[in-house]
Amino acid sequence: SQQGEEDPQALSIQEGENATMNCSYKTSINNLQWYRQNSGRGLVHLILIRSNEREKHSGRLRVTLDTSKKSSSLLITASRAADTASYFCATDGGGIKAAGNKLTFGGGTRVLVKP
Amino acid sequence: NAGVTQTPKFQVLKTGQSMTLQCAQDMNHEYMSWYRQDPGMGLRLIHYSVGAGITDQGEVPNGYNVSRSTTEDFPLRLLSAAPSQTSVYFCASTIREGRSTYTFGSGTRLTVV
Repeated sequence: SQQGEEDPQALSIQEGENATMNCSYKTSINNLQWYRQNSGRGLVHLILIRSNEREKHSGRLRVTLDTSKKSSSLLITASRAADTASYFCATDGGGIKAAGNKLTFGGGTRVLVKP
Repeated sequence: NAGVTQTPKFQVLKTGQSMTLQCAQDMNHEYMSWYRQDPGMGLRLIHYSVGAGITDQGEVPNGYNVSRSTTEDFPLRLLSAAPSQTSVYFCASTIREGRSTYTFGSGTRLTVV
């Protein structure tokens, strides 16, 4: 079963607008990560936020984490056509098993940025 | 550094055939894993390895085998291909599971007819 669930499933915006997507998860975590996937390509890491952090920035990206609500959001400001991609949140398992904390992905948000 | 290299990029198999998807990383990462990606399903973990000689099952391991004889290589074997295994397969690695970012290969698109 998927740990993270993204919302919305798809998002269409104009270039220059901001894009916000949300992720909810079920169990405790050590960290939450966001990845981007361009069509037909592998996933590329965007940002990692640890469970004791509430907000993190990287360039035009802003990630928030609310562990009390088990949710995170990714904001892309001043979007560009090149931001068109699928975005996935991923969480680790919080150390439930001694074997480790496997990275579990949500279903992703498909973002279309129209020029 | 090449990162994570997957071969082949595309493969068509007939039902019942077997094959091995190759994955190699040159970053000296301890942890390696295989995911499959199906439309609308996100990525699901098939098998993973926390180090050479150690492997374990993920969420959807049936029909797949793995081995980890070296730190660098983590091949995924399909024992008897089925149409339900039509998917895009990704190999990923990280320095230490659960604490670091993951590096993904470019994927293998597999079709079973």
